[in-house]
Amino acid sequence: DGGITQSPKYLFRKEGQNVTLSCEQNLNHDAMYWYRQDPGQGLRLIYYSQIVNDFQKGDIAEGYSVSREKKESFPLTVTSAQKNPTAFYLCASSALAGGTYEQYFGPGTRLTVT
Amino acid sequence: KQEVTQIPAALSVPEGENLVLNCSFTDSAIYNLQWFRQDPGKGLTSLLLIQSSQREQTSGRLNASLDKSSGRSTLYIAASQPGDSATYLCAVRPKGGSQGNLIFGKGTKLSVKP
Repeated sequence: DGGITQSPKYLFRKEGQNVTLSCEQNLNHDAMYWYRQDPGQGLRLIYYSQIVNDFQKGDIAEGYSVSREKKESFPLTVTSAQKNPTAFYLCASSALAGGTYEQYFGPGTRLTVT
Repeated sequence: KQEVTQIPAALSVPEGENLVLNCSFTDSAIYNLQWFRQDPGKGLTSLLLIQSSQREQTSGRLNASLDKSSGRSTLYIAASQPGDSATYLCAVRPKGGSQGNLIFGKGTKLSVKP
């Protein structure tokens, strides 16, 4: 089955610890994205990447880091510098050819930091 | 700055009713608009994508329209069913920004009562 996988589904961490969220896609999409969703809020873009070894900051990149060593993978690290890390994190991907850039989403990871 | 608004924030209807969800955006310079469905605790499922040159798109009982000049889109759901209960999000891909990035509304939470 083609799609986007995120792991784990739930993640619990103590304050002050870094944590890495996994995102993998087998859709052969060039672009990948990380969003954060808080209750009652729309999705906000954290980072995105359109090509391997290159990525750009989104609207709320502070306290987060990413890497794009492979086309299929785009892990997100939530660092201890992120002041309010508890949220629902969504990964997405899109093809760049064709022009629509239609985004497809993974199932999400719920991170709780105490 | 592009802003996307969805009204109402929540909607409850009896089964079988036809309904309309509204989405408005402040800047008409967009490439396309995408409607998503999100079930509780899950990722987003793409429902329809309308290019800026199109007026509407249809998929089964769903019909999405776009009036770019007035900054509005509607999602029409015919003969609603309890299984349609979910949060519906709209998002625009603005021109001038980084390619592929989406600006999301906060969503309309739909409840269809049997």
